Amino acid sequence: AIRMTQSPSSLSASTGDRVTITCRASQGISSYLAWYQQKPGKAPKLLIYAASTLQSGVPSRFSGSGSGTDFTLTISCLQSEDFATYYCQQYYSYPPTFGGGTKVEIK
Amino acid sequence: EVQLVESGGGLVQPGGSLRLSCAASGFTFSSYWMSWVRQAPGKGLEWVANIKQDGSEKYYVDSVKGRFTISRDNAKNSLYLQMNSLRAEDTAVYYCARQLPVDYWGQGTLVTVSS
Repeated sequence: AIRMTQSPSSLSASTGDRVTITCRASQGISSYLAWYQQKPGKAPKLLIYAASTLQSGVPSRFSGSGSGTDFTLTISCLQSEDFATYYCQQYYSYPPTFGGGTKVEIK
Repeated sequence: EVQLVESGGGLVQPGGSLRLSCAASGFTFSSYWMSWVRQAPGKGLEWVANIKQDGSEKYYVDSVKGRFTISRDNAKNSLYLQMNSLRAEDTAVYYCARQLPVDYWGQGTLVTVSS
């Protein structure tokens, strides 16, 4: 199975900050990468797919980049509603695998 | 509006069985691959299984192969997960999910495996 490694596992930031989360695949996955946001007690929400395509309805402050093995999720100007845990997922090959998550907390 | 509503979770003893159901509405169910994704308490997400539109292809994560069976009934707009030989490590919230990447999720149903 392809291993997805996210870093950092947690970070503290303030509203208005620019935040970057990275995700590395153990082998090349082209652009078959998605990012999800999950708030406590809620189901995850799809933010980005195909590494850089914004899901409908997702604010433009979220962006994704990368291909092959290295990917990033950037939140350009952190808002209060963005404090959550973020997961990457590869869907290049079975089984689809998730990163361990990055918890974005209030500084 | 797309809705996925899971049911069937609960407390079961190790070695026991449980069948989860997911009722889908608001979209053409028969046109989509469907998945089950789980999340152990305080842990990350784990994809469990998925099934093609007509049920002809099914895939499983290694840890559930031979114990779990995914199925669907397109006439009833429903997805199922039959879970046998349950283990403590299967304890999790189980989400019904549409396609990959997952664009819609259910609210989840908690499965607790404990004696």
